[in-house]
Amino acid sequence: EVQLLESGGGLVQPGGSLRLSCAASGFTFSVYAMSWVRQAPGKGLEWVSAISGTNGGTYYADSVRGRFTISRDNSENTLYLQMNSLRAEDTAIYYCAKLLCTNGICYRGAFDIWGQGTVVTVSS
Amino acid sequence: QSVLTQPPSASGTPGQRVTISCSGSSSNIGSNYVNWYQQLPGTAPKLLIYSNNQRPSGVPDRFSGSKSGTSASLAISGLQSEDEADYYCAAWDDSLDGYVFGTGTKVTVL
Repeated sequence: EVQLLESGGGLVQPGGSLRLSCAASGFTFSVYAMSWVRQAPGKGLEWVSAISGTNGGTYYADSVRGRFTISRDNSENTLYLQMNSLRAEDTAIYYCAKLLCTNGICYRGAFDIWGQGTVVTVSS
Repeated sequence: QSVLTQPPSASGTPGQRVTISCSGSSSNIGSNYVNWYQQLPGTAPKLLIYSNNQRPSGVPDRFSGSKSGTSASLAISGLQSEDEADYYCAAWDDSLDGYVFGTGTKVTVL
């Protein structure tokens, strides 16, 4: 079964750091681009960051660039999000998501598999 | 603040057709594919439409997507009670060099 399982969320003080993990199973993790998407309480979806499957290229939303770092360990089938200098507005459910590829074509921004999410709360 | 604008709400009775609009610009919808997501209460989003009008395996053909210029639409025909959810459009934005979601539309089945 294709599955993503996030972990690492929790309560952290403003200015603190947290590292999220996303364990993938049921598919060849290394070939797929992956993303992090978050949702603040009662708000809409916000794309956070993406990393390609092959060359490791990374992309960030302006709201997190310079504070967050996305990475992956293909040998461990795991995606990471290192979050530094956390702010109250970073409070959200963080989802990891897999890019859809079908018939040899990958569709940018089409995420066909999502994890259940991990909750990050930034508060003093 | 999202660069893709959707109506905050839409509603219909069972069996009706409901359409949700998504307005963007030349840097996102105008030059990239549009995807649509459904989010049921308390659950992770689900991909509903990709590449403007393609349905992933398992998505009923009651759901359809279209795009014209810098706008896109999601149509739900034969509305069912289980369609009550939040719906988001999304597209890559060349100016931001990132992915953007719409503001979201809550669909209510009356």
